[in-house]
Amino acid sequence: SQTIHQWPATLVQPVGSPLSLECTVEGTSNPNLYWYRQAAGRGLQLLFYSVGIGQISSEVPQNLSASRPQDRQFILSSKKLLLSDSGFYLCAWRKGSGSLNFGPGTRLTVT
Amino acid sequence: DAKTTQPPSMDCAEGRAANLPCNHSTISGNEYVYWYRQIHSQGPQYIIHGLKNNETNEMASLIITEDRKSSTLILPHATLRDTAVYYCIVRAYANFGNEKLTFGTGTRLTIIP
Repeated sequence: SQTIHQWPATLVQPVGSPLSLECTVEGTSNPNLYWYRQAAGRGLQLLFYSVGIGQISSEVPQNLSASRPQDRQFILSSKKLLLSDSGFYLCAWRKGSGSLNFGPGTRLTVT
Repeated sequence: DAKTTQPPSMDCAEGRAANLPCNHSTISGNEYVYWYRQIHSQGPQYIIHGLKNNETNEMASLIITEDRKSSTLILPHATLRDTAVYYCIVRAYANFGNEKLTFGTGTRLTIIP
């Protein structure tokens, strides 16, 4: 069966510090991968998606970036965090036209 | 993807059927209706999806109107664990290119003991 992992589960970072969130998927190959963000009391906002290694599409211009160095690894990064980057970050995968499967999420607080 | 409209919140008594409506009046012929839910501080969970026929699985039933402009998710016997935010999404059944799903603010369903 397929599983998706995200780490860390929670993170508190000061403004201006860098960020690296990691997501890995097991049990499948060549999945589509997604990064979503959910601010407090808001819906899910799609940030990035990837249909293959090195292929990243950005949905919202911001100070975040994403990379996919391996087939089942998706990384969300920032060089300098802003207060507005606080939120719940969710990684998800999908194979073909199947349902979207979400990871447990990372709660980021920028102070 | 077509836009969806859902009520911001609903209450339902425990043990009763919870009926969550969704309007998607601009849905096109190749777009499916998907439902997800998100329990507090967890990732969203897939519930069910359908095109035009009613669908049922172990979690819920999905009723889609004949004109496909609206749908209702039914949780037949709601329990306290069904308290969550429920998202209704429509997307094309495509296997290439842009396969993103976009989520709105959903309906916050509270099950009352």
